[in-house]
Amino acid sequence: GNSVTQMEGPVTLSEEAFLTINCTYTATGYPSLFWYVQYPGEGLQLLLKATKADDKGSNKGFEATYRKETTSFHLEKGSVQVSDSAVYFCALINNSGGGADGLTFGKGTHLIIQP
Amino acid sequence: EAGVVQSPRYKIIEKKQPVAFWCNPISGHNTLYWYLQNLGQGPELLIRYENEEAVDDSQLPKDRFSAERLKGVDSTLKIQPAELGDSAVYLCASGRVATDTQYFGPGTRLTVL
Repeated sequence: GNSVTQMEGPVTLSEEAFLTINCTYTATGYPSLFWYVQYPGEGLQLLLKATKADDKGSNKGFEATYRKETTSFHLEKGSVQVSDSAVYFCALINNSGGGADGLTFGKGTHLIIQP
Repeated sequence: EAGVVQSPRYKIIEKKQPVAFWCNPISGHNTLYWYLQNLGQGPELLIRYENEEAVDDSQLPKDRFSAERLKGVDSTLKIQPAELGDSAVYLCASGRVATDTQYFGPGTRLTVL
C-alpha cells in the first residue's frame, strides 16, 4: 500500500535560517506528490506539488523536487520567516488507478520559527 | 471563488449521541472527500465521492458511520452512536475528476465526552 514518512517535529529554527523537512514515500504506480501547510486555526492549504520524476514544485519561496530514485520529496526554503510557523504535511496520490484518489498523508511536521 | 464550507466548526457531544457534519464543496467540483484527522496525525481518507456515487468507502466504519451526497453537491457525514475515540477533526475536501489537487475546508472539531 501507500505510505508517507516525514521527519518528526517540532522543528525549531531562527528567522532567516535554511529549512529542510524530509519526506520519503512508498507507493505502487506513479504517484503525484504534495506538500500541504496548516497554519494555526486554519484548514489545510496546498503549498506545492510535483506530478512526475525530477519535477520541482515551488511556491512562496518553498521548493521540493520529486526524486524517484530515492523516493523522496524533501521540502526546502532558503530563509524562513516567523510567518512560516505552521504544520507541514507531505502527501501523495497514486495515479495508477486513474481518477481522483484519496490523499495519503504523513504525520505532519510542526515548524516553529523564532524571531 | 468561495472555498469549501463546513459546519459546524466545533461540536461537543456526549458518547452514544448522534452527530452530523455538513460540507459544501467548491462550485463545479464533482469529487468530494471526507477525511479524519486525529491529534498529531495526518488526515486519513474515510470516503470518496465522484458526483453522487461513493467510489471508495473502504475505510469508513460502516457500523456507526454513514455518509451521503445528494444531487452530487453537498454532503453529510453522520456518526451514530458516537464513541470517545471519535474525538477528532473531520475534514472535507473537493476537486475535479481526473485532476489530483484537492481543496480542503476548515474542518469540524468533534469532542465526545
